[in-house]
Amino acid sequence: EAGVTQFPSHSVIEKGQTVTLRCDPISGHDNLYWYRRVMGKEIKFLLHFVKESKQDESGMPNNRFLAERTGGTYSTLKVQPAELEDSGVYFCASSQATGYNSPLHFGNGTRLTVT
Amino acid sequence: GESVGLHLPTLSVQEGDNSIINCAYSNSASDYFIWYKQESGKGPQFIIDIRSNMDKRQGQRVTVLLNKTVKHLSLQIAATQPGDSAVYFCAESNDYKLSFGAGTTVTVRA
Repeated sequence: EAGVTQFPSHSVIEKGQTVTLRCDPISGHDNLYWYRRVMGKEIKFLLHFVKESKQDESGMPNNRFLAERTGGTYSTLKVQPAELEDSGVYFCASSQATGYNSPLHFGNGTRLTVT
Repeated sequence: GESVGLHLPTLSVQEGDNSIINCAYSNSASDYFIWYKQESGKGPQFIIDIRSNMDKRQGQRVTVLLNKTVKHLSLQIAATQPGDSAVYFCAESNDYKLSFGAGTTVTVRA
């Protein structure tokens, strides 16, 4: 079974530019999550999709961030315009269900550097 | 080697020794706890989990202990190996949302 895949693995952009991160969850996983880790701090929740619907986007920092999951398969996370404080590692995860016995499977992350 | 009491960001342990990684959680309503291991360049990898109605669960070379009275979680790794070197995160869960701890970097000395 293929795991969660994320693209690109690294991205370096200038302040003010736009970047789009992509996540392909494990096939059949309805639940898709975005998390990020900024400057070696704890990993923080950004948002949660169930199929194509946003269930919780309470962790999104501001309106410069836009996540989509059209068709309920892969998801994209766009940052526009990027700011210096957006640098960090963005993780995507998926799960079949929620709660106990349905652990999250994480991708390897996209390391975003905004200069 | 072990970290006891307060969470420590780093832990150095001799190969073959047992490791204990500690974590304090904040939400007394959390009903599910997970330990993740993150190696360099990779995403967090599930190690073991435990529900709030349990106080101990064992896996292969790993044991998780849960003390709900003091909101404390620990991960014990038996006979630590070089491949155990990584950052270890505890996470508490309320339904779908995980709240991660700050992480402990474990370094195994040969």
